[in-house]
Amino acid sequence: GAVVSQHPSWVICKSGTSVKIECRSLDFQATTMFWYRQFPKQSLMLMATSNEGSKATYEQGVEKDKFLINHASLTLSTLTVTSAHPEDSSFYICSAVGNTKDTQYFGPGTRLTVL
Amino acid sequence: GNSVTQMEGPVTLSEEAFLTINCTYTATGYPSLFWYVQYPGEGLQLLLKATKADDKGSNKGFEATYRKETTSFHLEKGSVQVSDSAVYFCALRGNTPLVFGKGTRLSVIA
Repeated sequence: GAVVSQHPSWVICKSGTSVKIECRSLDFQATTMFWYRQFPKQSLMLMATSNEGSKATYEQGVEKDKFLINHASLTLSTLTVTSAHPEDSSFYICSAVGNTKDTQYFGPGTRLTVL
Repeated sequence: GNSVTQMEGPVTLSEEAFLTINCTYTATGYPSLFWYVQYPGEGLQLLLKATKADDKGSNKGFEATYRKETTSFHLEKGSVQVSDSAVYFCALRGNTPLVFGKGTRLSVIA
């Protein structure tokens, strides 16, 4: 099946710094990518939806200036957590769909720890 | 809005036991229903899906039937293996991106 990769798989940073997470579709063109956040023992919460070449659509309660999403190509989307704080520590997961839009493929996730 | 409720875990079973993980949903219209599995250290993988009422999704010995009358999509497997230990997520998709349940952790012991 289709493969979605994320980099890095884990990152530890100091409070106040910014962290960029990459999401790539390796063998298909992702017309739409989604970013989720998963807290321990909780479900995946959708943060935003991005379509290639256009601005991301953020879910209610998600700060767009804090979580910058760029979807510059059909195989790459990035999530930048700006001025990270300990409460931003979480597991971030990206997902992508191709042209047929029938199946969402998920990346392995990135664990962010903010000290 | 759309929502998914699944039984809370953790669920611990002996090898070869029967598995049921309950999932019910609330949605407008006719959503597609999914079960995803997350093995330790890996990303979510689609396990099975059903796109309309009375459809049965199946894969790797797991089955789930789309029951519109009870708004349910329970996951079953007749004989679990240690390798089935993972977190299982029920999800639906209407005219929005996937909406997930909270996940159920399954541990199978030999």
